[in-house]
Amino acid sequence: ETGVTQSPTHLIKTRGQQVTLRCSSQSGHNTVSWYQQALGQGPQFIFQYYREEENGRGNFPPRFSGLQFPNYSSELNVNALELDDSALYLCASSRTGGGGELFFGEGSRLTVL
Amino acid sequence: ELKVEQNPLFLSMQEGKNYTIYCNYSTTSDRLYWYRQDPGKSLESLFVLLSNGAVKQEGRLMASLDTKARLSTLHITAAVHDLSATYFCAVDGSNTGKLIFGQGTTLQVKP
Repeated sequence: ETGVTQSPTHLIKTRGQQVTLRCSSQSGHNTVSWYQQALGQGPQFIFQYYREEENGRGNFPPRFSGLQFPNYSSELNVNALELDDSALYLCASSRTGGGGELFFGEGSRLTVL
Repeated sequence: ELKVEQNPLFLSMQEGKNYTIYCNYSTTSDRLYWYRQDPGKSLESLFVLLSNGAVKQEGRLMASLDTKARLSTLHITAAVHDLSATYFCAVDGSNTGKLIFGQGTTLQVKP
């Protein structure tokens, strides 16, 4: 158990819909990073949030967006879902703007039909 | 652009044997992570290597980092079936917690 919780654990959407995934960071961690892991591949960095601001973004289109709240929890929103968005979405928390050990949640598995 | 490559990508081995997984990366970094992932599960942190020459061991697994060669190794000693999983290395090129992962090495340990 890492203390990082994600919800929902599984969900099914259809193309064109929108989805929101949620993450509660480990106590004392003020940085949240999101990763996308397609089947059979390594996780890919989507973006990081620190002090409620986006603090770096990977190679993902603007329809991937996020938020961080004052309690350091975070949301990942994906608009206009595409079939290729089907993946395991992992949230990781860390201290002080990153640079330390990351602790991953159990993930949210999204299937887009 | 930072790239991380692991080899082999798939490893089938007998219990009791030793083997090494290699992780090469393309730009300077002195922060490297090893994770384990079981099927359908999240990432379990194994090792964090923070400096050149760092070596860490936990049970039958030992990880090392050579920042000059841009190489990390994960050595498995006397493998057991419970070690069957996919192992990822990840590099933090900017020391900001934005990890670039390798493709993963799927280890299958046969009785």
